[in-house]
Parts: sequence; structure tokens; C-alpha cells
Amino acid sequence: GAVVSQHPSWVICKSGTSVKIECRSLDFQATTMFWYRQFPKQSLMLMATSNEGSKATYEQGVEKDKFLINHASLTLSTLTVTSAHPEDSSFYICSARPITQETQYFGPGTRLLVL
Amino acid sequence: QKEVEQDPGPLSVPEGAIVSLNCTYSNSAFQYFMWYRQYSRKGPELLMYTYSSGNKEDGRFTAQVDKSSKYISLFIRDSQPSDSATYLCAMSNQGGKLIFGQGTELSVKP
Repeated sequence: GAVVSQHPSWVICKSGTSVKIECRSLDFQATTMFWYRQFPKQSLMLMATSNEGSKATYEQGVEKDKFLINHASLTLSTLTVTSAHPEDSSFYICSARPITQETQYFGPGTRLLVL
Repeated sequence: QKEVEQDPGPLSVPEGAIVSLNCTYSNSAFQYFMWYRQYSRKGPELLMYTYSSGNKEDGRFTAQVDKSSKYISLFIRDSQPSDSATYLCAMSNQGGKLIFGQGTELSVKP
């Protein structure tokens, strides 16, 4: 149990295009989902917290107009990187927190490369 | 000072060894403590989840939490090459976001 999927697993795009990443909790409901970014050899950096049916809360320094987050249901959250640039290339990981727990279950991650 | 301190390693041990991984923290409000394992280019996988102080065992893994010392540990018995990964400690208070350690890179040599 407690499986989180992410799609796509990797994406290559041209500079200036937008990329959407989906995060789904497959066997549990999650009122809260999280989006992280991870650089090589570093720990996870929280970008934003999204609650089902409300606006996401962004961490300091994260541009909300660039990283659009939608949490449309208790099992789905999406991250859209708008007008992507090479510096947005990174490993993006989502997580979901079950309604009755304090822990988070992570997706397998999405590797984004912007050319 | 970081809220959560974790020795980044790398840590190299022979197969079959007992591995001890540790984290210290400064926020006494933390109540929930987790250990994640992360293989290269993968998302973190939850290994252990404990609430408040005490021990929890699951197979070859034992997690310990000492809230009085603000210190948590993960022990891996009979370590295997497949245990080679980065181990992340994480903690939170109720409803709060996870605060991670820097991660310890472990290598188990056959």
C-alpha cells in the first residue's frame, strides 16, 4: 500500500515551453501533497504545499507564477513549470500525506531537462 | 545552525556489518520521526515511522528516538549490498512540513 506515482518519469523540452507533471496517490486519499526539488548530492528542497481544493502555499524564493500547482482531487496534484529555462532543469519529486497520518509517501520523481 | 543535523558520510562498511545512522535536532516540538532510503535517481522510500520516544523494529531495521537528547538513530543489521543508498532522516510536528537531514550516503561492500 501507500503508492504514489508520477508522470512523466523524465522529460526533455525546449527553453520557453511549459511542462506539466502529475502526481497521484494510487491507494489512499491525501488532503495534502507536496512538491520538492532535488539537486545532485543534496537533500530535498520543499517548493510548495498543496491542499485539495485550495491554493498552494509556496516556500520563500519559489516563484508561484512559474511553478503552477493544482490539487484538483484527493488523489491528484499537478505541477506545471511555465516558460521553462535551463536553470529549471532538476529532479522534481512529489509526496502525499494520507489523511490519517503525519508521514509522507514519495513518488519516483521526474527528471526535467530544459535545452 | 540547521534544525536537523545528519552526517553526510560517505559511510562504507563490509557486507554483514551493523550500520548505525544518526540525526540530531534542535526543535523540541518535533513529534514524528521518519527514516527514508533513496536510491540514485529515485524518490525516497519510507523505511521507518515512529511517534515520540522509543524503539521500533522492522526486520533488519531498528529505529530509536530519544526526545530528551533530541537524537534519533537507525540501525541496520546484517547489511547487504542492496542497502547501499542514501538514508534521510526526517521529522515534523503535527500538521507540519517534513524537515530533512542532509542524508548519509551508505555503501555496503560485498
